[in-house]
Amino acid sequence: AQKITQTQPGMFVQEKEAVTLDCTYDTSDPSYGLFWYKQPSSGEMIFLIYQGSYDQQNATEGRYSLNFQKARKSANLVISASQLGDSAMYFCAMREFHSGAGSYQLTFGKGTKLSVIP
Amino acid sequence: DTAVSQTPKYLVTQMGNDKSIKCEQNLGHDTMYWYKQDSKKFLKIMFSYNNKELIINETVPNRFSPKSPDKAHLNLHINSLELGDSAVYFCASSQPQLGEYKFFGPGTRLTVL
Repeated sequence: AQKITQTQPGMFVQEKEAVTLDCTYDTSDPSYGLFWYKQPSSGEMIFLIYQGSYDQQNATEGRYSLNFQKARKSANLVISASQLGDSAMYFCAMREFHSGAGSYQLTFGKGTKLSVIP
Repeated sequence: DTAVSQTPKYLVTQMGNDKSIKCEQNLGHDTMYWYKQDSKKFLKIMFSYNNKELIINETVPNRFSPKSPDKAHLNLHINSLELGDSAVYFCASSQPQLGEYKFFGPGTRLTVL
């Protein structure tokens, strides 16, 4: 079973509008972390935002916010006031404890390609 | 200063060759990783090293071997390269005690002809 599911292979948004990128996860680890990364066409992986499973408030970083709904196991990324430079692949990832290795492991979703339209 | 650096950025080689990709981090992190991103953009962890000790070894072929000469370096050696090895390989590092996110290197695009 997939641990991280991103159901939107591609999304379009008008410049200056807000957009929500979906992410659901599956884990039995009570202490986990959720991440969003941006990968522009140049290829680098850019960390955007992090949410810990015990964090009471939704994480925010500038125009990025994470809509964390623990009971639904969802961690959607909201980008406000989209800009042309936001066009990229966006990956949701989860950090959970890997009992076999005795350490934490980061698992990625398949990504959502966001295109911002002028 | 670059936090995580990888060399080379592009690598084109023939099937059957042996090649290495180097990774260095100047963050003082204890844990370093190698990820593979395939043509469909799917990222999968290959190896994880903590204080020079392998702690996760996903089911990758034993033609791939990570080598860590010291805490700041984790190099990836690939023997007998195959067409299916063509991908982008990312090095990353983290220090969970200090922060919850990983720093990724710029990636190495490997093309096997």
